[in-house]
Amino acid sequence: DAKTTQPPSMDCAEGRAANLPCNHSTISGNEYVYWYRQIHSQGPQYIIHGLKNNETNEMASLIITEDRKSSTLILPHATLRDTAVYYCIVAKLSYGQNFVFGPGTRLSVLP
Amino acid sequence: EPEVTQTPSHQVTQMGQEVILRCVPISNHLYFYWYRQILGQKVEFLVSFYNNEISEKSEIFDDQFSVERPDGSNFTLKIRSTKLEDSAMYFCASGYGNNSPLHFGNGTRLTVT
Repeated sequence: DAKTTQPPSMDCAEGRAANLPCNHSTISGNEYVYWYRQIHSQGPQYIIHGLKNNETNEMASLIITEDRKSSTLILPHATLRDTAVYYCIVAKLSYGQNFVFGPGTRLSVLP
Repeated sequence: EPEVTQTPSHQVTQMGQEVILRCVPISNHLYFYWYRQILGQKVEFLVSFYNNEISEKSEIFDDQFSVERPDGSNFTLKIRSTKLEDSAMYFCASGYGNNSPLHFGNGTRLTVT
């Protein structure tokens, strides 16, 4: 089973920030938080990942709480093309370990 | 930017036939994976492959499935005798290791009739 809990769906107005929460209260000290998204039936697309510090790249920002039990993915200016299912995954990608996908959050960006 | 490529994009086969799904991972990656997604369901792990051997497999990955890295670039998934319930999107992924993220291909849609 997935180690994360996400709301099943969210709406966001185009041009506004989308804040997608994720709970991972059982995360262990050496596990990273990864965010992916899936548009229609395309392959999951990597967005961002982090261990304990906040991270930012050209796509998004990742805010991880100090106790690491939850995180928030922030899309600063959502566009219609950001409509997708967003997955929060915790994992330690050592030899052989894999990602366990949950149902994710279906984000709808509305015009 | 390098990407994982999968062929074919769509494969239709009859029940009982063998299929081979092909993937070209990112060239310097060391870890290779197959996942599948039945229509409307979650993405499910099938198998991981490292150092020319299977490192982990799920309950789905039974004796009908096999993987191979026949040369330095391709990574294949073979289904020996397809069943109707094998109809799904199959995604290949690769990673460099050391907690770097996995990169997924855009999948092969397998339809078993």
